[in-house]
Amino acid sequence: QQQVKQSPQSLIVQKGGIPIINCAYENTAFDYFPWYQQFPGKGPALLIAIRPDVSEKKEGRFTISFNKSAKQFSLHIMDSQPGDSATYFCAASPSGKLIFGQGTELSVKP
Amino acid sequence: DTAVSQTPKYLVTQMGNDKSIKCEQNLGHDTMYWYKQDSKKFLKIMFSYNNKELIINETVPNRFSPKSPDKAHLNLHINSLELGDSAVYFCASSRMTSTDTQYFGPGTRLTVL
Repeated sequence: QQQVKQSPQSLIVQKGGIPIINCAYENTAFDYFPWYQQFPGKGPALLIAIRPDVSEKKEGRFTISFNKSAKQFSLHIMDSQPGDSATYFCAASPSGKLIFGQGTELSVKP
Repeated sequence: DTAVSQTPKYLVTQMGNDKSIKCEQNLGHDTMYWYKQDSKKFLKIMFSYNNKELIINETVPNRFSPKSPDKAHLNLHINSLELGDSAVYFCASSRMTSTDTQYFGPGTRLTVL
């Protein structure tokens, strides 16, 4: 019940493509759903986050879609760039404890 | 100015040794965390402190002991290091315990030989 399942494990897209990363959770007590971006040799950094009372949130080229009834959420990256190549983690939080998905390694080819 | 800093960045040591990793944040946050990232990049919370008090303690061996001398510092001491302790350890901090952004440090790569 404390798990967050993330897919795919890796993703390769061409520049300008729209990679989509999906996450699913089971525990309905989760109340905060952030996405973190991690570059090699660096710590994760918050990209965008959503709360369960909204179904979509956009920040620049990044969009989270949230489906509360299905207990799923996804990250879309519009007009992806080679600089977006990184590992992306979804997470869910019950009261501040971040439970991370397994990560998706995204590669954007020029 | 670095928001969350960790020392050392790399730590190579022999099995059975005791080592410490230090973390400092200059963001004025009340809550600090330790996470472990394994070789498959899986991130898992280990501990969380709020105003020097332990609030999250996941199933972590007793060989791991966090210590918070003040709310800007959270250190991690590891006794009797084992091969399986090899990982990257990240410190993080946030304003509150619930839904505020957690800011991560650059990580400490621990290699146990």
